[in-house]
Amino acid sequence: DIVMTQSPLSLPVILGQPASISCRSSQRLVHSDGNTYLNWFQQRPGQSPRRLIYKVSNRDSGVPDRFSGSGSGTDFTLKISRVEAEDVGIYYCMQATHWPGTFGQGTRVEIK
Amino acid sequence: QVQLVESGGGVVQPGRSLRLSCAASGFTFSSYGMHWVRQAPGKGLEWMAVTSVDGTKKYYADSVEGRFTISRDNSRSTLYLQMNSLRPEDTAVYYCTKADDNYNPDFWGQGTLLTVSS
Repeated sequence: DIVMTQSPLSLPVILGQPASISCRSSQRLVHSDGNTYLNWFQQRPGQSPRRLIYKVSNRDSGVPDRFSGSGSGTDFTLKISRVEAEDVGIYYCMQATHWPGTFGQGTRVEIK
Repeated sequence: QVQLVESGGGVVQPGRSLRLSCAASGFTFSSYGMHWVRQAPGKGLEWMAVTSVDGTKKYYADSVEGRFTISRDNSRSTLYLQMNSLRPEDTAVYYCTKADDNYNPDFWGQGTLLTVSS
């Protein structure tokens, strides 16, 4: 199975400052169809997860443009350009290129 | 709008069986794959299983392969997870998720809590 490794696991940030989360996979995530099925999810305290990014860099509907995804192969990044209070929560990467799907351990974003 | 409502959780003894349900609305259920994902108390997300639109293709996490079965009834717009030989480590909130056109999880339900304990 593919192992997804996130860093850091805890990320204290100052409001209005940028934040960056890394996600590395144990194998390349390029599918035979040429796409890379790497997703990012946000889980706010007490809520169900919500998808932010799909196929590495595509924002889901309603996701603020301060969230962006990038990367290729085995290295991927989620960036928040200016952290707002509502961004507090745990962020997970997840690969769906190779079954079984696998999640990263999660990165807790908190306000410093 | 998309709605996913899980049910069937509760407290069950180790070794017993239970079936979770997920009632879907707000989209054409028969046109999308569906997933189950779980989250143990205070832990991260763990992907469990996915089913194709017609239920003929299914994939499972190693941790539940052979014990859990994902299925769907497109006439009822309902997804199921049959769980057998339950263990204390199966204690978690179980989420069903709709998949997008590429079988990636997109929209999530609110989850149902399963506690396996004697």
